[in-house]
Amino acid sequence: AQSVTQPDIHITVSEGASLELRCNYSYGATPYLFWYVQSPGQGLQLLLKYFSGDTLVQGIKGFEAEFKRSQSSFNLRKPSVHWSDAAEYFCAVGARYSSASKIIFGSGTRLSIRP
Amino acid sequence: DAGVIQSPRHEVTEMGQEVTLRCKPISGHNSLFWYRQTMMRGLELLIYFNNNVPIDDSGMPEDRFSAKMPNASFSTLKIQPSEPRDSAVYFCASSFGRQLATNEKLFFGSGTQLSVL
Repeated sequence: AQSVTQPDIHITVSEGASLELRCNYSYGATPYLFWYVQSPGQGLQLLLKYFSGDTLVQGIKGFEAEFKRSQSSFNLRKPSVHWSDAAEYFCAVGARYSSASKIIFGSGTRLSIRP
Repeated sequence: DAGVIQSPRHEVTEMGQEVTLRCKPISGHNSLFWYRQTMMRGLELLIYFNNNVPIDDSGMPEDRFSAKMPNASFSTLKIQPSEPRDSAVYFCASSFGRQLATNEKLFFGSGTQLSVL
């Protein structure tokens, strides 16, 4: 079965600074990979997803993520964060070859923005 | 489209009482998921339906939990009897997904904050 790890529970960055949120997965093949964002009191919203092809994927709100097979990683990046980016970010993994059609979410990384 | 609609937004109840959470998925979506979010366990999949049929309920914690989807536009998650450890945010999500598809975008509702005293 697939699994996903987000090693950083909480990250604080200054407004305008660059951001990288880490995500590592475990799966026997290349899984489907997602990043979701959750604003306070809201449900999760899809930022971007990777299925195949170009390993650098672009998402909404200026976010991008890079799939690195050798490192089993799918880190989320943004060159310059805005105060409105403060939220919780979840990496998720979907099995590509399995009868267990679950999407498994990581434990989340809470992002705070320093003025 | 109004998105996935959950009700109530907040529920406070006493231990032992029955709790019913409701969800209306996005029209045309044929997969529906119930998730539970807590600080300790993160986001857990409880059960999911495809074309109104429960496909996988292995995440349902125990027999006190039950879920139904009587038609394509409505689902309920019931806890009877409720316990303080059930306190969490419960999310419903839907997708336009085939059965066994794990590459579909999930659309989440705003959640129900449940507090069991």
